[in-house]
Amino acid sequence: EPEVTQTPSHQVTQMGQEVILRCVPISNHLYFYWYRQILGQKVEFLVSFYNNEISEKSEIFDDQFSVERPDGSNFTLKIRSTKLEDSAMYFCASSYVEGSYEQYFGPGTRLTVT
Amino acid sequence: QKEVEQDPGPLSVPEGAIVSLNCTYSNSAFQYFMWYRQYSRKGPELLMYTYSSGNKEDGRFTAQVDKSSKYISLFIRDSQPSDSATYLCAMSADTGGFKTIFGAGTRLFVKA
Repeated sequence: EPEVTQTPSHQVTQMGQEVILRCVPISNHLYFYWYRQILGQKVEFLVSFYNNEISEKSEIFDDQFSVERPDGSNFTLKIRSTKLEDSAMYFCASSYVEGSYEQYFGPGTRLTVT
Repeated sequence: QKEVEQDPGPLSVPEGAIVSLNCTYSNSAFQYFMWYRQYSRKGPELLMYTYSSGNKEDGRFTAQVDKSSKYISLFIRDSQPSDSATYLCAMSADTGGFKTIFGAGTRLFVKA
């Protein structure tokens, strides 16, 4: 069964450093999403992406965040200058065009900022 | 008022019980309603989705949406220990980018 994969599973970085979180969505999916979940809190929408453009973003997704689909398979989230409060699980999700509510989530990357 | 409210529990039931999980919301623009299951340290897994009001059944799971009351429910019949997980309600308006708002999640324990 096809699945969304994410690398790395755990990333430790120092405050102020740049990190890139990587995702490989399901191959025939065209919509891509990033979410985060701070420990013990709810899942929060960051951004949706379609046709090489951001479709929608939340208030959390400020100028320190960016997304990219550098090739036909990867989808990345870059955090330019990490802060302690960026520590969270980051989930990538993807969906097929006509069923955007049917989002399939990856296992997540745990980001720890020290 | 939070956009989506969900009692975090925990909710503990004996095996075989009927489980009722609920969420309320404030944004009347929401049209898509989803339930996800999340096991510890895993990504959310879509269980069911409903568009607008009404009921939907899938095996032991039934989702209900009452838009007039801004209230959604998930029922689990004949609950099993393997159903022990956190259940997240989620919803979205038809805004193209499909920004999905999640509830806090209800932690469910089904005891054998």
